[in-house]
Amino acid sequence: DARVTQTPRHKVTEMGQEVTMRCQPILGHNTVFWYRQTMMQGLELLAYFRNRAPLDDSGMPKDRFSAEMPDATLATLKIQPSEPRDSAVYFCASGKGEFFTDTQYFGPGTRLTVL
Amino acid sequence: AQKITQTQPGMFVQEKEAVTLDCTYDTSDPSYGLFWYKQPSSGEMIFLIYQGSYDQQNATEGRYSLNFQKARKSANLVISASQLGDSAMYFCAMRGRETSYDKVIFGPGTSLSVIP
Repeated sequence: DARVTQTPRHKVTEMGQEVTMRCQPILGHNTVFWYRQTMMQGLELLAYFRNRAPLDDSGMPKDRFSAEMPDATLATLKIQPSEPRDSAVYFCASGKGEFFTDTQYFGPGTRLTVL
Repeated sequence: AQKITQTQPGMFVQEKEAVTLDCTYDTSDPSYGLFWYKQPSSGEMIFLIYQGSYDQQNATEGRYSLNFQKARKSANLVISASQLGDSAMYFCAMRGRETSYDKVIFGPGTSLSVIP
């Protein structure tokens, strides 16, 4: 049963610290998405990649967030420095392609708390 | 612009009964896909069911079915024989040409509680 995996599942850190979240997409999926979910804003798309190339990161605060795909099996989302307002659940999702029939499959999420 | 509306913030259903969760959407695209996801209290987002704009028949997946009314732009999720494990948030979502087919637009969600 192929799944998207994310690590860590939970992260508590202090303001100003660097946070790195990792995602392993489903094997064979060429599109990877990073979302953030909060009670106030709901699900927000932060960035996404196709074939490891970044296509859109307009949803990310550029000064502190960065997203990369070092290889086809790993996507990372970094926050440096972290702030309390970054506290949220961060989801990674992957999909096979770019047509409207393509389904995105989500990982379990990383619950981030910044104190 | 594409938009998803879920007008029921919270719903209750008796165990073993059927329940319908409403979803309406707005798009000018002729080609689009509609999706439903379930988010239980554990937090994961679980894909449930998909309906394409050109599909002639309503989608079904086990106890889940989609009541797709294209002219009314609605894609309601029907859960038959509700179980306690169905208690969760349910999100309606769509993707289409207005967002380059890549981005999925999510609705605000409906919280479903199944009563024993």
